Amino acid sequence: KAGVTQTPRYLIKTRGQQVTLSCSPISGHRSVSWYQQTPGQGLQFLFEYFSETQRNKGNFPGRFSGRQFSNSRSEMNVSTLELGDSALYLCASSLGEGLNTEAFFGQGTRLTVV
Amino acid sequence: QKEVEQNSGPLSVPEGAIASLNCTYSDRVSQSFFWYRQYSGKSPELIMSIYSNGDKEDGRFTAQLNKASQYVSLLIRDSQPSDSATYLCAVNPWSNYQLIWGAGTKLIIKP
Repeated sequence: KAGVTQTPRYLIKTRGQQVTLSCSPISGHRSVSWYQQTPGQGLQFLFEYFSETQRNKGNFPGRFSGRQFSNSRSEMNVSTLELGDSALYLCASSLGEGLNTEAFFGQGTRLTVV
Repeated sequence: QKEVEQNSGPLSVPEGAIASLNCTYSDRVSQSFFWYRQYSGKSPELIMSIYSNGDKEDGRFTAQLNKASQYVSLLIRDSQPSDSATYLCAVNPWSNYQLIWGAGTKLIIKP
């Protein structure tokens, strides 16, 4: 069974640019959550998509957006990049319903903004 | 505001000893509880999930849940240097299926 796939693994962007990150969840999983993690920090929740709808949202500015497609793949977009956006971006997939909501993470995309 | 609290550590434990990691949560109706291990620079990896009061064992790992006291713990027996990592506690409040995360406890196993 394939795991969660995130692409690309590494990105270097310039301030002011925009970036799109991709996440393919485990087959059968309908929920995809996105997190930002900076060195020494915990997981900061960005948003969660379930069946193509944003179901939950964290406290990030509108520059951060996402979407989910009918095959459950999700993309996250960050516009007008700032130096502080440099971080490891993680996506996690889960069934998204019922008691069993075990989340499985992809390897992450490490974004560096210069 | 729903919260999950963990001691940030670092928690230093000698090799071969039992490491005990604790987590408390604020939402009484929480139903599902998870422990993740994260090595530096890597993504979190699910170690244990627990849904009922009591103990759940998996190899060297034991998760303990006490819903009345609103805490969940993780015991690691016969600790190995490879267990050195940050351990994250996550709670599903069940109201919106969005996991609430603790900040993690850094565990160091000393040879």
